[in-house]
Amino acid sequence: KQEVTQIPAALSVPEGENLVLNCSFTDSAIYNLQWFRQDPGKGLTSLLLIQSSQREQTSGRLNASLDKSSGRSTLYIAASQPGDSATYLCAVPFSNAGGTSYGKLTFGQGTILTVHP
Amino acid sequence: DAGVIQSPRHEVTEMGQEVTLRCKPISGHDYLFWYRQTMMRGLELLIYFNNNVPIDDSGMPEDRFSAKMPNASFSTLKIQPSEPRDSAVYFCASTLLAGPNEQFFGPGTRLTVL
Repeated sequence: KQEVTQIPAALSVPEGENLVLNCSFTDSAIYNLQWFRQDPGKGLTSLLLIQSSQREQTSGRLNASLDKSSGRSTLYIAASQPGDSATYLCAVPFSNAGGTSYGKLTFGQGTILTVHP
Repeated sequence: DAGVIQSPRHEVTEMGQEVTLRCKPISGHDYLFWYRQTMMRGLELLIYFNNNVPIDDSGMPEDRFSAKMPNASFSTLKIQPSEPRDSAVYFCASTLLAGPNEQFFGPGTRLTVL
């Protein structure tokens, strides 16, 4: 059964720092991986999606990498700002002994990021 | 596109009452998902539909919960009767399978059952 783990659970950094959030998954037979952001009391916003054939995706100050063989993904945030403060979640397609359920996602528990001025 | 639309945004009700949550997916998407989020359990998938047909409802906690998708642009999640432990934020999300499968979430409905 696919399991997703995010480390660290919480991170507090001063403004301007570059930081890395980690996501690991147990079943490497994924066809994509998605990073989300959730602000307090809000819904999930899709940040980046990496297809299984890709090694990384970039959007502005965000860069997500994927290493399927090791079951890992990282989200790199450059020059962090207080507005980046939120919970960041990664998600991969659900799978178990019966195979992969297309569309259904397994989420990590998230990393709570605080960027202080 | 307006994105995934959910209503109401907030719902406060008393135990035993029926609650109906509504969702309009992104036009053209063929998958629709209902999630529940609590501090204790995080984000849980309740049920999902493909082309308006329920595919997997194994996450639905009890028979008190039911979901329908009468057409491609509308879905409901009903709780009857509601209980205080149903208090949570309920999210709807949609995606298009014939593509990158990027999943888009609605703003959620915050349900409080007194």
